[in-house]
Amino acid sequence: SQQGEEDPQALSIQEGENATMNCSYKTSINNLQWYRQNSGRGLVHLILIRSNEREKHSGRLRVTLDTSKKSSSLLITASRAADTASYFCATDQKGSSNTGKLIFGQGTTLQVKP
Amino acid sequence: SAVISQKPSRDICQRGTSLTIQCQVDSQVTMMFWYRQQPGQSLTLIATANQGSEATYESGFVIDKFPISRPNLTFSTLTVSNMSPEDSSIYLCSVEGTARNRETQYFGPGTRLLVL
Repeated sequence: SQQGEEDPQALSIQEGENATMNCSYKTSINNLQWYRQNSGRGLVHLILIRSNEREKHSGRLRVTLDTSKKSSSLLITASRAADTASYFCATDQKGSSNTGKLIFGQGTTLQVKP
Repeated sequence: SAVISQKPSRDICQRGTSLTIQCQVDSQVTMMFWYRQQPGQSLTLIATANQGSEATYESGFVIDKFPISRPNLTFSTLTVSNMSPEDSSIYLCSVEGTARNRETQYFGPGTRLLVL
């Protein structure tokens, strides 16, 4: 079953602005990952944060994880039109008997206007 | 990172027929995954396919409807059987990451299926 909920469902910003997306989950996790999907194509892995980490950076991406609140946020700074895509969080559940199984959130559709 | 290809990229099928989707990886991987993404929705895991063993299906998915083959470490197929319009979705395969990054997954470009 899907355990990730993301908000907002849709976000529209101007180029150069920052975009923040949030993800909540229900069970204990090993890690949380963020993926990007352009126009219904395959997903691209962006960043992984482990359950014992609180913040992680990769280029213009900043991810935070609050395991006490079971939530994560993805911040894209200085957005570009090319960042227009759907963004999904995915969790690797702790204790899952199906190693490698990811549970995906509902996704946030980001539109960056030039 | 692994390079993954899927065939066909898209297809339009009549209800009651079956379609087999192929997934090819450019390196040997132990675990391959098949997902369904219904229109406007997120990804739902159908099954995990390990070479040399039967696929493990998620709740709501059965082998008769979605038979999977995994003949070697670089290839897998997913068949969507006796299709109905509700099967119209994007079907994606993915593989586990490299040894240094095994928790991540690399995805194929997807197969867009429309059932009339």
